[in-house]
Amino acid sequence: GIQVEQSPPDLILQEGANSTLRCNFSDSVNNLQWFHQNPWGQLINLFYIPSGTKQNGRLSATTVATERYSLLYISSSQTTDSGVYFCAVYGSGNTGKLIFGQGTTLQVKP
Amino acid sequence: DVKVTQSSRYLVKRTGEKVFLECVQDMDHENMFWYRQDPGLGLRLIYFSYDVKMKEKGDIPEGYSVSREKKERFSLILESASTNQTSMYLCASSLLAGGQLKDTQYFGPGTRLTVL
Repeated sequence: GIQVEQSPPDLILQEGANSTLRCNFSDSVNNLQWFHQNPWGQLINLFYIPSGTKQNGRLSATTVATERYSLLYISSSQTTDSGVYFCAVYGSGNTGKLIFGQGTTLQVKP
Repeated sequence: DVKVTQSSRYLVKRTGEKVFLECVQDMDHENMFWYRQDPGLGLRLIYFSYDVKMKEKGDIPEGYSVSREKKERFSLILESASTNQTSMYLCASSLLAGGQLKDTQYFGPGTRLTVL
């Protein structure tokens, strides 16, 4: 099945810094989502981005499907950005099962 | 905005009890999902449903059952709770109809279940 790998596993930033999170996947996909899981456990949709680039405020994401990776950019980080960032892709077939990476744990210090 | 709600944020039950976790979505989504999240194991799919009264097993259905009597509501049932079912349970929904399941999934806030 499809493997999803995220890097780095952990990241500590000073408030105001920029960062790039990476998601590699082992096979062609046509659906990819980025999520932020806040400290209370809520998974919040950030982007649905099977290909191309999208921006939402200080966050942007780029997926290069042909090269099997996606990047999440966080600019001018804030303490509220802390939490775990997951990328997820759909497996083969039509099960609707999202295959999640192991996540990047981000801590933004004031 | 899509809203997915779960009946409880925190729940403590005893071994052997029957446990019901409820999930409701308000966006007329066709598809609903139950995952559990455990440290080191990530999110794993328990069951999903693409229509009322339809259900399909995910990766780890053992010890669980589900019910979808109405489109907006998807219930996860632990027939006889065990300590290894202590976990974070997350419900999700997505829009696509006709049995198509690959669309943006929206998650509820999660239920942290502890089985003593």
